[in-house]
Amino acid sequence: AQSVTQLDSQVPVFEEAPVELRCNYSSSVSVYLFWYVQYPNQGLQLLLKYLSGSTLVKGINGFEAEFNKSQTSFHLRKPSVHISDTAEYFCAVSARSDDKIIFGKGTRLHILP
Amino acid sequence: EPEVTQTPSHQVTQMGQEVILRCVPISNHLYFYWYRQILGQKVEFLVSFYNNEISEKSEIFDDQFSVERPDGSNFTLKIRSTKLEDSAMYFCASSSLKDQPQHFGDGTRLSIL
Repeated sequence: AQSVTQLDSQVPVFEEAPVELRCNYSSSVSVYLFWYVQYPNQGLQLLLKYLSGSTLVKGINGFEAEFNKSQTSFHLRKPSVHISDTAEYFCAVSARSDDKIIFGKGTRLHILP
Repeated sequence: EPEVTQTPSHQVTQMGQEVILRCVPISNHLYFYWYRQILGQKVEFLVSFYNNEISEKSEIFDDQFSVERPDGSNFTLKIRSTKLEDSAMYFCASSSLKDQPQHFGDGTRLSIL
């Protein structure tokens, strides 16, 4: 079975500062990895995905994530955040043989003026 | 950009009643999913559906739940004899292929009184 741990439930960051949201996963089989974002009162939107190939993945809105197999991590980064990045961010994993996505508990990103 | 649409956005139902949540997946997608998120908890997989049958389901998806694709565009989740603990946000998702990212709708907030 797969599991996802998001180490921080909330992360406050000043506007224009860099941010890293941490994610670790556990799996005995090969996986796909995802980050989804949920803006207030909206659904889940795919930010980026790792399926195979380059371990550095670039997504929408200036976000990127790096797959580190040895550390079983998939941390999300952005070099300079904006107030519009205020949202909840979910790391997720899916075994390559499975239909389902397993989500982490989410990290709420607070942008401070 | 094509979207997954869900109706209604909010459903209030008396305990013991049946409820049907509706979803219109992206038109050329072949795989359909339901997830739920109880307030303050993780997003949890319920069921996946392909080729007019359930392909995978979680232990949450018991006999109280059923899914159907009644026509070429809708995908429904029926919950019979609702319980208080069924109160949650229910998300529909679809994907073009099994190993392609799932696209989520904005969710239906189900409140059981």
